[in-house]
Amino acid sequence: SQKIEQNSEALNIQEGKTATLTCNYTNYSPAYLQWYRQDPGRGPVFLLLIRENEKEKRKERLKVTFDTTLKQSLFHITASQPADSATYLCALGANNNDMRFGAGTRLTVKP
Amino acid sequence: SQTIHQWPATLVQPVGSPLSLECTVEGTSNPNLYWYRQAAGRGLQLLFYSVGIGQISSEVPQNLSASRPQDRQFILSSKKLLLSDSGFYLCAWSVIGEGQYFGPGTRLTVT
Repeated sequence: SQKIEQNSEALNIQEGKTATLTCNYTNYSPAYLQWYRQDPGRGPVFLLLIRENEKEKRKERLKVTFDTTLKQSLFHITASQPADSATYLCALGANNNDMRFGAGTRLTVKP
Repeated sequence: SQTIHQWPATLVQPVGSPLSLECTVEGTSNPNLYWYRQAAGRGLQLLFYSVGIGQISSEVPQNLSASRPQDRQFILSSKKLLLSDSGFYLCAWSVIGEGQYFGPGTRLTVT
């Protein structure tokens, strides 16, 4: 069966460091991979989309990689700040009507 | 700019009572619309999606139903709620090739 795994439930890092979150998948060939941020009690906020033919995408302090051979995406936040503390979700799909979400990784950036 | 509204924000309903959650989108035409449910500490589960008025696809068989009476209106309903229907319900919209944009959510507690 299809499986999406985000590396850990929680990740704690020091302010200013780079946070790296992992999303692995099995039994899946997604055309899209997306990353979202979710704060407690709020809906997820779309951050980045990367397609299967793209290796890397950047947006400000965010960088996403997509390795279809390893079946893995890495999500990096450089120069992390306490305001980056949130849960980050990855989502994969063949199209936008078929997106499957991981359970998320809760990131805490300590000052 | 586009905005998405959901109401109510919170709801407490007894088992066996009906449910109606409403979602409306402004500032876009013919969006894809989605209903998700998120259980505590879990990932998002896609319940329904719609690519146009009157067109509903169900992902999970259950006692919930969805309708899209207008282009930018999406309604989630139930005739008789179960305890297991408790959760955080999220509506989202998208256009082809982009991420999904979520509403603020409805926290439903079935007692």
